[in-house]
Amino acid sequence: EVQLMESGGGLVQPGGSLRLSCVASGLTLRNYVMHWVRQAPGKGLVWVARISNDGSDPGYADSVKGRFITFREDAKNTLYLQMDSLRAEDTAMYYCMDYGLNWGQGTLVTVSS
Amino acid sequence: QSALTQPPSASGSPGQSVTISCTGTSNDVGGHIWVSWYQQHPGKVPKLIIFEVSKRPSGVPNRFSGSRSGNTASLTVSGLQTEDEADYYCSSYAGSHILLFGGGTKLTVL
Repeated sequence: EVQLMESGGGLVQPGGSLRLSCVASGLTLRNYVMHWVRQAPGKGLVWVARISNDGSDPGYADSVKGRFITFREDAKNTLYLQMDSLRAEDTAMYYCMDYGLNWGQGTLVTVSS
Repeated sequence: QSALTQPPSASGSPGQSVTISCTGTSNDVGGHIWVSWYQQHPGKVPKLIIFEVSKRPSGVPNRFSGSRSGNTASLTVSGLQTEDEADYYCSSYAGSHILLFGGGTKLTVL
């Protein structure tokens, strides 16, 4: 059974940083393109970032480009989202997913003073 | 990076069919097979119900079907059931390592 488990969310002040983690079991991350998707409270799904199976060619939504970086640690089978210069509009539940079949439960990020 | 366009709401009575559209461009919906649909119940994680335009993952009822014409993809739910009431999102690869989602459609079963 595939499980993705995010962690690292929390309350952070505007301008601050957070690093989200997505630990995978039953699935080897280096074999898949992986994505981060977020959902603000009461709003729709928004794609944030992706990393290819070989770790190259990351892609980012315009709204986070230059502030967020995604990377992977194969030894820990873990995906990360490093989020810097956070803004109030980054407040959302953050999910990791593969091509869409497998999603984590999400981790909530709240950016507020 | 504009979101794909979905109607905000759709509705139907039990047993009826309803179709939800997802309009993009030739750079996304109309140009790739990587078009997917997700179902999300309140407070739950999204669930993949259609991938590659018209394929269903194992376990998804065949009441759910996907299609595409030009730059518009469609999700049809046949034989509506009360448990189909949920939010539905389309997504499409848009080239240059970008993925787009639609704004979502709230399906109400009357």
